Amino acid sequence: DTGVSQNPRHKITKRGQNVTFRCDPISEHNRLYWYRQTLGQGPEFLTYFQNEAQLEKSRLLSDRFSAERPKGSFSTLEIQRTEQGDSAMYLCASSLVTGAADTQYFGPGTRLTVL
Amino acid sequence: GNSVTQMEGPVTLSEEAFLTINCTYTATGYPSLFWYVQYPGEGLQLLLKATKADDKGSNKGFEATYRKETTSFHLEKGSVQVSDSAVYFCALSDRQETSGSRLTFGEGTQLTVNP
Repeated sequence: DTGVSQNPRHKITKRGQNVTFRCDPISEHNRLYWYRQTLGQGPEFLTYFQNEAQLEKSRLLSDRFSAERPKGSFSTLEIQRTEQGDSAMYLCASSLVTGAADTQYFGPGTRLTVL
Repeated sequence: GNSVTQMEGPVTLSEEAFLTINCTYTATGYPSLFWYVQYPGEGLQLLLKATKADDKGSNKGFEATYRKETTSFHLEKGSVQVSDSAVYFCALSDRQETSGSRLTFGEGTQLTVNP
């Protein structure tokens, strides 16, 4: 068990460019979550997958954001036409759903800076 | 909707001092409660959790008890160390059919422990 990994760890881009982040969950975890964290705040939920199905999207996830989880393994989060307000830490978490509420384990995050 | 309120920070203590970080919550169902810790430049690490009323979560000398009557989950440690310096987040997960187990976080409390 190597934990949740995210790549890249840092991304600097110019406004208007597209960016894509990758998350590799803990193997055999069937749920994968994306959160966004701005400076000095707690993380905010963006979306989650159960296996390959995207089951919920937050209102925070505008049309410029899209997430996929092909084959229920790794996930990607793409932001099109980036804006300065997209600058944040993007966190991925995974969990194994059992009868009780699942416990989420977080990756190190991808810090996005939009210039 | 769900919400988590943490005591305002930052908190500065001397080594071996007693720590309390207050956390209260509002939830529509019967949530599970969590404390996560974030060290500088890193993602969130699960510190402890409790899944039902009167449960006590504990780890690395930290404790928190799920108090349904006061809707609280205060974090305590009897003797803090310099290495405990980090940001601490209280969170709840209110498992619903339509929302998975999305976490709702407080704003975080910055703890600094001086030698």
